[in-house]
Amino acid sequence: AQKVTQAQTEISVVEKEDVTLDCVYETRDTTYYLFWYKQPPSGELVFLIRRNSFDEQNEISGRYSWNFQKSTSSFNFTITASQVVDSAVYFCALSEAPSGNTPLVFGKGTRLSVIA
Amino acid sequence: NAGVTQTPKFRILKIGQSMTLQCTQDMNHNYMYWYRQDPGMGLKLIYYSVGAGITDKGEVPNGYNVSRSTTEDFPLRLELAAPSQTSVYFCASSLGTSHTGELFFGEGSRLTVL
Repeated sequence: AQKVTQAQTEISVVEKEDVTLDCVYETRDTTYYLFWYKQPPSGELVFLIRRNSFDEQNEISGRYSWNFQKSTSSFNFTITASQVVDSAVYFCALSEAPSGNTPLVFGKGTRLSVIA
Repeated sequence: NAGVTQTPKFRILKIGQSMTLQCTQDMNHNYMYWYRQDPGMGLKLIYYSVGAGITDKGEVPNGYNVSRSTTEDFPLRLELAAPSQTSVYFCASSLGTSHTGELFFGEGSRLTVL
């Protein structure tokens, strides 16, 4: 069965520090998709990225970057030069496809607080 | 651009009461979901639907029911509310023909059962 573990429950950093949010997943499928979602204090959930299991290239989007390593079953998320607006709960999620075609399973989330 | 709309945003129920959380999307998405979020527990899937007339149980379906008579609407029914159903409920939808697409979420409905 698929599983996502976000071991860091809460992280606090000072503004402009870099921070990495860890995500470790378990799956029996060779084809799967990994996601990150952001939930700011206002409560809505916002999609950040989707990555399929065949694409291990790291991705960078502005101050955000993602490191996908199948060898360690990890899909870590780094925020460079953090800002107060990055304060949120961040969820990693996994969907297996196509064998089980299972709905998304979320980790428990990591609450990031960026202090000015 | 309405996206996914949930109502109500807040509700207080007494134990044993029933209610329906409404969810409507205007993006013509086939896939729709109901999740609940409890503090420190992430999001747990209650029910999902891959198209009108088709629904399926998720991880925590007990105490809930759904229907999907149209592509747009996916209401979640709570029968005989219990304190354990105090939570924030999120409806989401996804374009495509599998569970691998980006989810679009509603703003959430905070339910308290006393």
